[in-house]
Amino acid sequence: NAGVMQNPRHLVRRRGQEARLRCSPMKGHSHVYWYRQLPEEGLKFMVYLQKENIIDESGMPKERFSAEFPKEGPSILRIQQVVRGDSAAYFCASSPGSFSYEQYFGPGTRLTVT
Amino acid sequence: KQEVTQIPAALSVPEGENLVLNCSFTDSAIYNLQWFRQDPGKGLTSLLLIQSSQREQTSGRLNASLDKSSGRSTLYIAASQPGDSATYLCAPPDSGTYKYIFGTGTRLKVLA
Repeated sequence: NAGVMQNPRHLVRRRGQEARLRCSPMKGHSHVYWYRQLPEEGLKFMVYLQKENIIDESGMPKERFSAEFPKEGPSILRIQQVVRGDSAAYFCASSPGSFSYEQYFGPGTRLTVT
Repeated sequence: KQEVTQIPAALSVPEGENLVLNCSFTDSAIYNLQWFRQDPGKGLTSLLLIQSSQREQTSGRLNASLDKSSGRSTLYIAASQPGDSATYLCAPPDSGTYKYIFGTGTRLKVLA
């Protein structure tokens, strides 16, 4: 059973460009969480999705950030018009359920904005 | 809102020592608590998950305990090895939710 997959592993974008981060959950998992780790800080929750639904986006910045988890295909975290402060590691986790289930993390995407 | 503190922030020990890493959290209304390790520049590897009804969990040389009432969890590493060098993170969820709250972890270095 392959683990959580994220791509790309490293992404460089110039200020103002768009960044698209992909996450394929573990087989059989329909719950996806995105977390962000800013340099020298702990991971912080961004958004929780189930197939075709955003359940909780309380940790997402109000502007420029969006997430989706379509019926087919990976979950996508999209950042429009990136700024230097968006440079961080973005981690995706998946689980077979929500409350009390173990979350399995992917290797992360390291975004650098130049 | 849940807050997590891990002590010590950094630890350097010779190989073979038994270690105790401490985690404290402010809100005890949690479903579970998960311990992870993070290697530099890498993702998180799940070590142990403790459900709220459990007192401890064991996996190999690792043992984690949970005392919800006092807001504490402890990770015990027996007979440490250089390969155990990493940052260890404990993650209780935010009160009554699935959203993990992370501290800045304990950075462990085991010397050969």
